[in-house]
Amino acid sequence: DAKTTQPPSMDCAEGRAANLPCNHSTISGNEYVYWYRQIHSQGPQYIIHGLKNNETNEMASLIITEDRKSSTLILPHATLRDTAVYYCIVRGLNTGNQFYFGTGTSLTVIP
Amino acid sequence: EAQVTQNPRYLITVTGKKLTVTCSQNMNHEYMSWYRQDPGLGLRQIYYSMNVEVTDKGDVPEGYKVSRKEKRNFPLILESPSPNQTSLYFCASSLAQGGGYEQYFGPGTRLTVT
Repeated sequence: DAKTTQPPSMDCAEGRAANLPCNHSTISGNEYVYWYRQIHSQGPQYIIHGLKNNETNEMASLIITEDRKSSTLILPHATLRDTAVYYCIVRGLNTGNQFYFGTGTSLTVIP
Repeated sequence: EAQVTQNPRYLITVTGKKLTVTCSQNMNHEYMSWYRQDPGLGLRQIYYSMNVEVTDKGDVPEGYKVSRKEKRNFPLILESPSPNQTSLYFCASSLAQGGGYEQYFGPGTRLTVT
């Protein structure tokens, strides 16, 4: 599975959009991009995933560049409850189902 | 409610005393796995199971055992715990293996081995 690179930390003002970048320059054609988050020491929570096209759900939007080498998770109106560590993961269709979480981006939403 | 449950949530034990952490899911998922999380190291996979009676090692399997006798349960066994197994453990499940399937995580078990 391709490895990912994320900034270690970011701040965002409450009510503003939080844009979390992820670099996955070695991604291959059958690998999905996943985003999870972990609040304090709770179990990681699934946010969204995509393969090629941009995706949106009730939590966030995922923007994948045309060359698929990077992506951005967008939380449209960040709240204090969005303060968490955000993990970007790439994972292939036929792998042994291993998720490489890395160390993620610690997002702090500031009042 | 669809969920992954783990028990116990907190456990303090002594070196060498065998213990089992249970994991159960009610979503009829085929795939289940165990992770440990340590400061600065993120989540690392210990073992995973693609279906009943099918298990395989993850990145850090040493010192752990698992079994998958029924679809809903995937216990993690520490036959002789050591202090370096002090960690936060998560169980996860997904509908199937492979990309395109999200994993659902349990609430975690914080284990301390003295």
